[in-house]
Amino acid sequence: GQSLEQPSEVTAVEGAIVQINCTYQTSGFYGLSWYQQHDGGAPTFLSYNALDGLEETGRFSSFLSRSDSYGYLLLQELQMKDSASYFCAVRISGGYQKVTFGIGTKLQVIP
Amino acid sequence: DVKVTQSSRYLVKRTGEKVFLECVQDMDHENMFWYRQDPGLGLRLIYFSYDVKMKEKGDIPEGYSVSREKKERFSLILESASTNQTSMYLCASSLAGRETQYFGPGTRLLVL
Repeated sequence: GQSLEQPSEVTAVEGAIVQINCTYQTSGFYGLSWYQQHDGGAPTFLSYNALDGLEETGRFSSFLSRSDSYGYLLLQELQMKDSASYFCAVRISGGYQKVTFGIGTKLQVIP
Repeated sequence: DVKVTQSSRYLVKRTGEKVFLECVQDMDHENMFWYRQDPGLGLRLIYFSYDVKMKEKGDIPEGYSVSREKKERFSLILESASTNQTSMYLCASSLAGRETQYFGPGTRLLVL
């Protein structure tokens, strides 16, 4: 099976940078996704990494190291609206597009 | 914009009832998924479907079944609801070969 670890809570100051880590244990790793979910809302897709390195999308970046079974989501210039839960999710190869989600990291942005 | 809709936002059922949760997507996606979300446990995959009439078990299929008779519609069935099935149920869809999953607003089910 697969297992993912991410911190349960993170607090950061508005305007700052925050990094949310995700480590995984799985066989047949294919890629790592990140989703954002505001309280009461549906998860929305942020990014996907299949290869090592950094992917940047505006204020958000996602990093993957396949050799370390590790990835992170980097949020820059934090805004109050970034307060949400962030989930990493692994996809394994050899099957359909099934992913396994982590338990989520609740990010609180404070003034 | 992709739209995924779920039949109810809130549902209250009694133990032993048969429960149907419906999900419809309007973007001709091949893949559809049912998850449940519980505090401290994240999203857990119940079942998914990669084509009409095709289904695969996820990580927690016990007590659930699914039906996909049309491409746009994916139903989750609780054959005999139990209190431990009280949860938020989220449906998602994705295009074959693409990683992005689009989620519906969720159905919060309470089983008494």
